[in-house]
Amino acid sequence: AQSVAQPEDQVNVAEGNPLTVKCTYSVSGNPYLFWYVQYPNRGLQFLLKYITGDNLVKGSYGFEAEFNKSQTSFHLKKPSALVSDSALYFCAVGGSASKIIFGSGTRLSIRP
Amino acid sequence: NAGVTQTPKFQVLKTGQSMTLQCAQDMNHNSMYWYRQDPGMGLRLIYYSASEGTTDKGEVPNGYNVSRLNKREFSLRLESAAPSQTSVYFCASSALGGNTGELFFGEGSRLTVL
Repeated sequence: AQSVAQPEDQVNVAEGNPLTVKCTYSVSGNPYLFWYVQYPNRGLQFLLKYITGDNLVKGSYGFEAEFNKSQTSFHLKKPSALVSDSALYFCAVGGSASKIIFGSGTRLSIRP
Repeated sequence: NAGVTQTPKFQVLKTGQSMTLQCAQDMNHNSMYWYRQDPGMGLRLIYYSASEGTTDKGEVPNGYNVSRLNKREFSLRLESAAPSQTSVYFCASSALGGNTGELFFGEGSRLTVL
């Protein structure tokens, strides 16, 4: 069985500061890891993914994520936060047979 | 380019009524998914279809049925709606299969069961 945990319901950061949104996962076999963002009253949008290769993955809007196999983590990061980054962020894990499971989401709030 | 289209966008049902949520994608994707989103629960997978002709249960399949009508369309049916099924439902599709390819989501269908 595969599962994802996002331990923080909300993360608050001042504009211009670095941000981290945490994610840990559990899956049999190789993990396929994703981050998505959701703006109010919209569907989810893909940000980035880790399938194989470099542990640091770069994605849309200046976001990046670091895959850490020993800690089973895939934290989302950005060096300098923008107010427009405020949204709901979801981590997801893919395993066998095309199944993708999402975490409970983290609300990111960037204050000016 | 429409992407993933869900209908209806809003629906109010009474307990015990039935309805079908429709989903269609125009990207020639192989895999399609139905999720529900509830506050504090994130997205939970109801059913998915890895390819045309196959369907599989997800995390919360009870009370739902699905049909992969063809490669484009994947419908979700509530046979006897319950208040616990009040939620926002999202359909998604993927070219490579959800385990490696990113999902493309519809705009969601908000269902209220009274």
